[in-house]
Amino acid sequence: DVKVTQSSRYLVKRTGEKVFLECVQDMDHENMFWYRQDPGLGLRLIYFSYDVKMKEKGDIPEGYSVSREKKERFSLILESASTNQTSMYLCASSRQRIAPVEAFFGQGTRLTVV
Amino acid sequence: QQQVKQSPQSLIVQKGGISIINCAYENTAFDYFPWYQQFPGKGPALLIAIRPDVSEKKEGRFTISFNKSAKQFSLHIMDSQPGDSATYFCAASESNFGNEKLTFGTGTRLTIIP
Repeated sequence: DVKVTQSSRYLVKRTGEKVFLECVQDMDHENMFWYRQDPGLGLRLIYFSYDVKMKEKGDIPEGYSVSREKKERFSLILESASTNQTSMYLCASSRQRIAPVEAFFGQGTRLTVV
Repeated sequence: QQQVKQSPQSLIVQKGGISIINCAYENTAFDYFPWYQQFPGKGPALLIAIRPDVSEKKEGRFTISFNKSAKQFSLHIMDSQPGDSATYFCAASESNFGNEKLTFGTGTRLTIIP
């Protein structure tokens, strides 16, 4: 079974803190994604990566950055957390050059910024 | 802008009934349309998907209907069961040599009542 593991299920951080959300996948997938999920807004793509050390902005990258130093690990960084970043964050991975794409998701990290 | 519009936001169906969720898209380059199912506390998982060269795809009690000219597609759940209660997301992507990224709808919370 494909497994995408997010390091924390729940996080509470203070405004202005630097926050790291970690994601690891064990299926040697090339593609990795970070989404945030908010009621009424669905899943919105923050950043994605098709290769190690490579990153591309998604639809809502402002206030976020990412790091991919190893193929299996994709980190989302909130440079200075704000209350409007309180959300559920979902990491996903998929295999490259396999069509159609199937994204495998982690269980999510519910982040609260106070 | 919302590239994939989904409705309704929530839906209550009696056990044994038919659940119908609708999606519409604007980008005519989209060529792959999956549906994802998410149970509470879990990440979304692929349920069923369709390409625009067919008008319908059926897998068990789940059917996707696709109308290319109207740029609409829908999920039908026949004989709905309490275990189908979940949040459903439609999505779309365009071919990019295996580097596809999914654009999701806003989600439908489905509740099946006895």
